[in-house]
Amino acid sequence: DGGITQSPKYLFRKEGQNVTLSCEQNLNHDAMYWYRQDPGQGLRLIYYSQIVNDFQKGDIAEGYSVSREKKESFPLTVTSAQKNPTAFYLCASSATGEIQYFGAGTRLSVL
Amino acid sequence: AQSVSQHNHHVILSEAASLELGCNYSYGGTVNLFWYVQYPGQHLQLLLKYFSGDPLVKGIKGFEAEFIKSKFSFNLRKPSVQWSDTAEYFCAVIRTGGGNKLTFGTGTQLKVEL
Repeated sequence: DGGITQSPKYLFRKEGQNVTLSCEQNLNHDAMYWYRQDPGQGLRLIYYSQIVNDFQKGDIAEGYSVSREKKESFPLTVTSAQKNPTAFYLCASSATGEIQYFGAGTRLSVL
Repeated sequence: AQSVSQHNHHVILSEAASLELGCNYSYGGTVNLFWYVQYPGQHLQLLLKYFSGDPLVKGIKGFEAEFIKSKFSFNLRKPSVQWSDTAEYFCAVIRTGGGNKLTFGTGTQLKVEL
């Protein structure tokens, strides 16, 4: 079953805690992306990676970090520096220059 | 900076009504254009895309969109909506040569009533 798997589906963060959201794809795509979705604001790009061991900041990277050690995986860490982390987080992947395919998302809330 | 505007944030229609959702973008160069749809509880999925060629593109489920370069627009249309079209619709743009970065509009929540 090909696709993009995000886990967990729901995540709760305590004050001052770092949390990591998982994104795995088996589509053999080179590029992967992280978006944040807030009501009325659409999707905003956090980070993206076009190749293993390389990634770039998107429009709202502050308070987030990523790594791309494997082609299949692009985890996102929401650090304690992100003061408003409550949102729906979407991971996507694509072949270079092609359509982006999205995962089911992770909903992050603050306790 | 590149931006995408969707003018209608909430739209309510009766079944069989016609639909047109507006989308305008700000970048003046060559772009690729997309409409994505997010049905309740489901993945964001591609509805249709424009890369080049015929500016009238047809997508899944009877949707179509027209690229009008002079107006920087890519409006989504459907002649007769169904209750199952209730969803959130997002317009998105990639500037060619821009590293495959999608810029999304703020979305339009469509509710179709029986």
